[in-house]
Amino acid sequence: AQTVTQSQPEMSVQEAETVTLSCTYDTSENNYYLFWYKQPPSRQMILVIRQEAYKQQNATENRFSVNFQKAAKSFSLKISDSQLGDTAMYFCAFMKPFSGGGADGLTFGKGTHLIIQP
Amino acid sequence: NAGVTQTPKFQVLKTGQSMTLQCAQDMNHEYMSWYRQDPGMGLRLIHYSVGAGITDQGEVPNGYNVSRSTTEDFPLRLLSAAPSQTSVYFCASSYSRIAGGEKLFFGSGTQLSVL
Repeated sequence: AQTVTQSQPEMSVQEAETVTLSCTYDTSENNYYLFWYKQPPSRQMILVIRQEAYKQQNATENRFSVNFQKAAKSFSLKISDSQLGDTAMYFCAFMKPFSGGGADGLTFGKGTHLIIQP
Repeated sequence: NAGVTQTPKFQVLKTGQSMTLQCAQDMNHEYMSWYRQDPGMGLRLIHYSVGAGITDQGEVPNGYNVSRSTTEDFPLRLLSAAPSQTSVYFCASSYSRIAGGEKLFFGSGTQLSVL
C-alpha cells in the first residue's frame, strides 16, 4: 500500500513571500501520478498541480511549481509571490495506474494548513 | 456544465438511521468514487466504480454500500448510521481510470453528523 506524509501541519508566511510545502511518499510502483490539491474554507477540492512520475521535468502552473525527486520519493510544492487567497489546506496525493487490484483512487496526506499573513 | 453534484450539502442523523448520499455527474465519466474526510486527516477512499454495474471497495468500506446502475449516478448508502460516520463526504469522477484518467473532478461535499 502507498503512504503519503506531510510533515508540516501548519505554516504561516507573509504575503508576497515564497513558501515550500513538503511531501514524501512510499511506494513500490515505478509509474504513478502525484498531485497537490488546495482546499479553501469553502471545502471545495481544487487541483493545483499534477506530476507524472515518468516525466523528469518538474511541473509548473503559474506561481505554483514542484520539486519532484523520484529517487528520494519527495514531491514538494513551491508557491511564489504568495497571495492572501492562497490561504487554505494543501493536500499531497498519490495515484498509481489502474490495475484492477482494488482500492483504486487517490491516497492523501494529512494536509498542511497554509496561512498567508497580510 | 454542472460537473459533479452532491446532495444534500448538510445532514444530521440519529444513530441507527439510514440515508443515501447522492452523487451525479454530467460529464459522461466512467469512473466515480466516494471519499470521507475526518478532522486532521486527508481524504480516504470508501468505494469506487470503473463503470456502470461495477463497484469495488476502497480503504474504508465498512458501514457503506454503493451501486452503479447508470453512468451518471453513484449513490452512497449508510444502512445504520453510527457516530463514527460523522464526516465530510466527497464524490469524485474521471473520464476513465482504465484509460488513464487520473485527474479527478470533485463535488462540493456533504457534511454528515450522526448523533
